[in-house]
Amino acid sequence: GDSVTQMEGPVTLSEEAFLTINCTYTATGYPSLFWYVQYPGEGLQLLLKATKADDKGSNKGFEATYRKETTSFHLEKGSVQVSDSAVYFCALSDYSSASKIIFGSGTRLSIRP
Amino acid sequence: GAVVSQHPSRVICKSGTSVKIECRSLDFQATTMFWYRQFPKQSLMLMATSNEGSKATYEQGVEKDKFLINHASLTLSTLTVTSAHPEDSSFYICSAPPRGETGELFFGEGSRLTVL
Repeated sequence: GDSVTQMEGPVTLSEEAFLTINCTYTATGYPSLFWYVQYPGEGLQLLLKATKADDKGSNKGFEATYRKETTSFHLEKGSVQVSDSAVYFCALSDYSSASKIIFGSGTRLSIRP
Repeated sequence: GAVVSQHPSRVICKSGTSVKIECRSLDFQATTMFWYRQFPKQSLMLMATSNEGSKATYEQGVEKDKFLINHASLTLSTLTVTSAHPEDSSFYICSAPPRGETGELFFGEGSRLTVL
């Protein structure tokens, strides 16, 4: 079945460092790909998404490109801030599954001032 | 934007009792809602898909008699944990896709259940 694999955390960086969180997926169809973020004490919220190959999703300085050839959707940010500390979830949705979303295991990111 | 609200946010109960968690879509109608369970420092596990006006669809390994789901209206789904035990203690999260937004979900704040 469909699955998502993302790098294990926790990831600890200094403020203004470059961030990459790796995510790869397995799907039988042509899924949409998402990054969700969960800030401390809050619910999940959509960070960015891409619906087809070579699409780039971006939001709040974060970017991820849908790479069909490598089945990847790595999350990047050029300069992280303390406020980016959160848990990040890579996820996919197959249209044939009526919006059911499969999540990766989550990566906890901590940014040091 | 679309908002999904859960209630209660925290609940503590004694072993053997039943607990109901509500999930409401506040400014949109949701024919489908999803219930997830999140263990500490782990990802979200899809438990079931709640369908308005029909039976819920449960994922493999989820006990339907244990976790009763009712989707009585286009804005409300409920999850009842029956005869709760300490191992049912977890963070339960509901979500819903706004109509026309295939693939994207809006999440409730989550409900933390502690069974003593």
